Amino acid sequence: GAGVSQTPSNKVTEKGKYVELRCDPISGHTALYWYRQSLGQGPEFLIYFQGTGAADDSGLPNDRFFAVRPEGSVSTLKIQRTERGDSAVYLCASSPLGGEGKELFFGSGTQLSVL
Amino acid sequence: AQSVTQLDSQVPVFEEAPVELRCNYSSSVSVYLFWYVQYPNQGLQLLLKYLSGSTLVKGINGFEAEFNKSQTSFHLRKPSVHISDTAEYFCAVSDYGGATNKLIFGTGTLLAVQP
Repeated sequence: GAGVSQTPSNKVTEKGKYVELRCDPISGHTALYWYRQSLGQGPEFLIYFQGTGAADDSGLPNDRFFAVRPEGSVSTLKIQRTERGDSAVYLCASSPLGGEGKELFFGSGTQLSVL
Repeated sequence: AQSVTQLDSQVPVFEEAPVELRCNYSSSVSVYLFWYVQYPNQGLQLLLKYLSGSTLVKGINGFEAEFNKSQTSFHLRKPSVHISDTAEYFCAVSDYGGATNKLIFGTGTLLAVQP
């Protein structure tokens, strides 16, 4: 079956612009996660959705970052007034249920480059 | 707060040799432990996980890891590596009893298998 799909795979933008990154999770997966991976670092947690609601957004670095999941499937990560420091690979993951010890299924990521 | 340390950023090894990738964690609560692998141009995928029970955990592709609570370690081992094992390996933890299954990742270890 289809895995987690992220679009676009690459996004180049200019400093100050607005970007949207899309994640299409595995069908039926209720839990969805966004991570950010900077060069030479491990993935860093941003936000977790259980269904339509953001159950944990403690990893969002500031109020320029926002994510939605209006129908409980596709999610969009939105970044306003992008800065060069936002350049990273943004990873999306889903799992059948939230909760303890569940495997996360990751997409291939969106490489964001802010010039 | 939890943290994960992977001291080796890169481990070169010859094909058919044994390998150990080190992982140490810090946490004030009990944890679940994971190893994920990232092949070039692919998403992260689960290798193995420790939730409870036997401290020796076997995963896919012949890898295994041993949980050592006293040393707060979860080292990954394989007795004989193949060229195809060349990838980035990430150790991760999540809270035992945590509702979000949020993973905290280490910085990763690049396993470079040489012929």
